[in-house]
Amino acid sequence: EPEVTQTPSHQVTQMGQEVILRCVPISNHLYFYWYRQILGQKVEFLVSFYNNEISEKSEIFDDQFSVERPDGSNFTLKIRSTKLEDSAMYFCASSLGGPAGAQYFGPGTRLLVL
Amino acid sequence: AQKITQTQPGMFVQEKEAVTLDCTYDTSDPSYGLFWYKQPSSGEMIFLIYQGSYDQQNATEGRYSLNFQKARKSANLVISASQLGDSAMYFCAMRENGANSKLTFGKGITLSVRP
Repeated sequence: EPEVTQTPSHQVTQMGQEVILRCVPISNHLYFYWYRQILGQKVEFLVSFYNNEISEKSEIFDDQFSVERPDGSNFTLKIRSTKLEDSAMYFCASSLGGPAGAQYFGPGTRLLVL
Repeated sequence: AQKITQTQPGMFVQEKEAVTLDCTYDTSDPSYGLFWYKQPSSGEMIFLIYQGSYDQQNATEGRYSLNFQKARKSANLVISASQLGDSAMYFCAMRENGANSKLTFGKGITLSVRP
């Protein structure tokens, strides 16, 4: 069964460093999303992406964040200068689209900023 | 107001019994979708079931069913014949403002299945 994959599974970085989180969505899906979950808290939406454009973003997704689909398979989230409060689990999700189209999540990347 | 409310404390259920996990929601959008996800201790988010606001029947997916009461704005998840592997955190989520828009999640409910 097709699934969303994410790399790395864990990343430790120093405050101020740039990180790139990578995702390979399900191959025929058209809509892509990033969410994050701070430890013990609820899942929060960051950004959605369709047709090579950001379609929606949250207040969390400020100028330090960017997304890219560099080729036909990868979808990346870049954090330019990490802060301590960026420590969280980051989930990529993809959807075929349409009213009944569920968002399927990847296994997540656990980011720890020291 | 909270968009998705999950207020139950940690839930416990005996193996092979049924359990209901509560979810209430708040929206003014007439067209919305409701989702349940399971998050085991390993951390991944697993899609379980979907209910559309215009669906006439309650959604079912194997041992999972959704008790959708539109007037009360509730979308409770029912798990029948609980298994030890059902022990996890369960999140209710809502999608509004378009078929491909973001999901808004509740705080989640921890379910523990006792042998």
